[in-house]
Amino acid sequence: AQKVTQAQTEISVVEKEDVTLDCVYETRDTTYYLFWYKQPPSGELVFLIRRNSFDEQNEISGRYSWNFQKSTSSFNFTITASQVVDSAVYFCALSEGSSGGGADGLTFGKGTHLIIQP
Amino acid sequence: NAGVTQTPKFQVLKTGQSMTLQCAQDMNHEYMSWYRQDPGMGLRLIHYSVGAGITDQGEVPNGYNVSRSTTEDFPLRLLSAAPSQTSVYFCASSSSPWANVLTFGAGSRLTVL
Repeated sequence: AQKVTQAQTEISVVEKEDVTLDCVYETRDTTYYLFWYKQPPSGELVFLIRRNSFDEQNEISGRYSWNFQKSTSSFNFTITASQVVDSAVYFCALSEGSSGGGADGLTFGKGTHLIIQP
Repeated sequence: NAGVTQTPKFQVLKTGQSMTLQCAQDMNHEYMSWYRQDPGMGLRLIHYSVGAGITDQGEVPNGYNVSRSTTEDFPLRLLSAAPSQTSVYFCASSSSPWANVLTFGAGSRLTVL
């Protein structure tokens, strides 16, 4: 069974600090996709990144970066020079292809509530 | 483009009442799904559909019913609401279930008294 663990329930940092959100996943499939979504206080879910299991290259998008390591089954998310607007709940999610072609949806972690204090 | 539209945004029900959460998308997506979000639980899949006329159960389907008569609409029905169904519900769609990014609706907050 697939599983996603976000062990950090809540993180609080002061603005401009760097912060890393951890995500550990479990899957028996060799083909899968990993995602990060952001849920700001307004409640909507905003897609941040998708990574397939065959691409272990790290990705950087502005102040955001992602580190995918298959050896440790982790897909961690780092925000550099955090800002108050980064305050949100962040979800890591996993989609496998072998069971129903992924139709059984995403398996989400429980989320990490990130608080950026001014 | 409206994307994924959910109605209502808020609803209060009494135990035993029935209601339907509406979901419509205008992106011609074949795949649609319903998730519920509970504090500390992340999002869990309730039901999904890979196309008109085809639906299937997700992780937490009990107490919910769905149908997919058109590509655009995927309503979620609560036949007899229970307090355990108090949650925030999200509808999502994508062009196919595998590997594609889900587009989520804004959510519907349901309280069952």
